[in-house]
Amino acid sequence: SQTIHQWPATLVQPVGSPLSLECTVEGTSNPNLYWYRQAAGRGLQLLFYSVGIGQISSEVPQNLSASRPQDRQFILSSKKLLLSDSGFYLCAWNIYADSNYGYTFGSGTRLTVV
Amino acid sequence: AQTVTQSQPEMSVQEAETVTLSCTYDTSESDYYLFWYKQPPSRQMILVIRQEAYKQQNATENRFSVNFQKAAKSFSLKISDSQLGDAAMYFCAYRSAWEIGNQFYFGTGTSLTVIP
Repeated sequence: SQTIHQWPATLVQPVGSPLSLECTVEGTSNPNLYWYRQAAGRGLQLLFYSVGIGQISSEVPQNLSASRPQDRQFILSSKKLLLSDSGFYLCAWNIYADSNYGYTFGSGTRLTVV
Repeated sequence: AQTVTQSQPEMSVQEAETVTLSCTYDTSESDYYLFWYKQPPSRQMILVIRQEAYKQQNATENRFSVNFQKAAKSFSLKISDSQLGDAAMYFCAYRSAWEIGNQFYFGTGTSLTVIP
């Protein structure tokens, strides 16, 4: 069966520190991968998506970056965190070939920048 | 980018009653998909129901059904016989049938409270 793992679940980081959030998918090949951010009391904002290894599309300019070093691995990074980076980060995947398919989401990472 | 609007930030319903959550979207495309996701306090996103734009028949999943009005670009979710476990944030989402990346566009959500 297909599963998605996202870690860590909770993270508290000081302003100016680096960030690395990881997401891996099991049980499927060549998934589309996504990073979303959900600020407190708000909707989901698409940050990055990837349709293949090394292919990253950015939706929102910011101090975050993403990488896809392997087919089923998606990493969200920052060199220096800002207070405004606090939020709930969700990784998701789907299969392009099945256009009716919804997202499968990870369990999320709650990031607090202090 | 497409826009999805949920005009009801908060809704409440009595247990066993019916509630309807509203969603409108803006698109110039004719082929697309619409979804409702539920996010309980655990924050895990759960797919509730989905609708293909080319289908006129409204989707139904047990107690959940949609009212899809393509011309009006409206996609409401009806929850019948509401249960305490239905309390959650509900997000409406749009997905193009052709856009590279298959990204979803989400509304800002409706927080549903179920009153015992």
